[in-house]
Amino acid sequence: DAGVTQSPTHLIKTRGQQVTLRCSPKSGHDTVSWYQQALGQGPQFIFQYYEEEERQRGNFPDRFSGHQFPNYSSELNVNALLLGDSALYLCASSLPPGDEQFFGPGTRLTVL
Amino acid sequence: GENVEQHPSTLSVQEGDSAVIKCTYSDSASNYFPWYKQELGKRPQLIIDIRSNVGEKKDQRIAVTLNKTAKHFSLHITETQPEDSAVYFCAASRNRDDKIIFGKGTRLHILP
Repeated sequence: DAGVTQSPTHLIKTRGQQVTLRCSPKSGHDTVSWYQQALGQGPQFIFQYYEEEERQRGNFPDRFSGHQFPNYSSELNVNALLLGDSALYLCASSLPPGDEQFFGPGTRLTVL
Repeated sequence: GENVEQHPSTLSVQEGDSAVIKCTYSDSASNYFPWYKQELGKRPQLIIDIRSNVGEKKDQRIAVTLNKTAKHFSLHITETQPEDSAVYFCAASRNRDDKIIFGKGTRLHILP
């Protein structure tokens, strides 16, 4: 049973570019949440997708957008990249109601 | 807004001694308090959690306590071992599959 997977593992972009990160949830899970973890900090909630709709959103600008596909996989898109967007981006999946969120290995994004 | 404060940021203890990490939260609607362990370059791993209707929970060498009135919760690790060295995050959430608000983390060093 595969756990949560994310791609790519590492990514280097330059300021102003756009990036797409991908997440496949744990088998049987239909809810995907995205978190940003800056170096030396705790993860910060970006948004959560359920039934292909954004259900909740944290305090992130509109440059951060997402999508969930019918197979429950999800994408995180970031436009107009800033140096401060450099971080580990974690995806977590769960099965409501009340299931634990399982984290993927993350995508390390570096913005130069 | 929702916030979780965590102390200390760094903690060094002799192998075999106990370690205590303390957190406070601001959202009165929080009902679920997970603790995560994150090793360098790895994903956060849930090590123990507690719900608001429980004051204390223990799992082998790890215990958590919750004081909902004071909005305090703590992690206690007894008989520490070298493999306990990692960054630990406390967190709060309204439900298990809801957005998770993380503390900034405690880097735990187990000294030989």
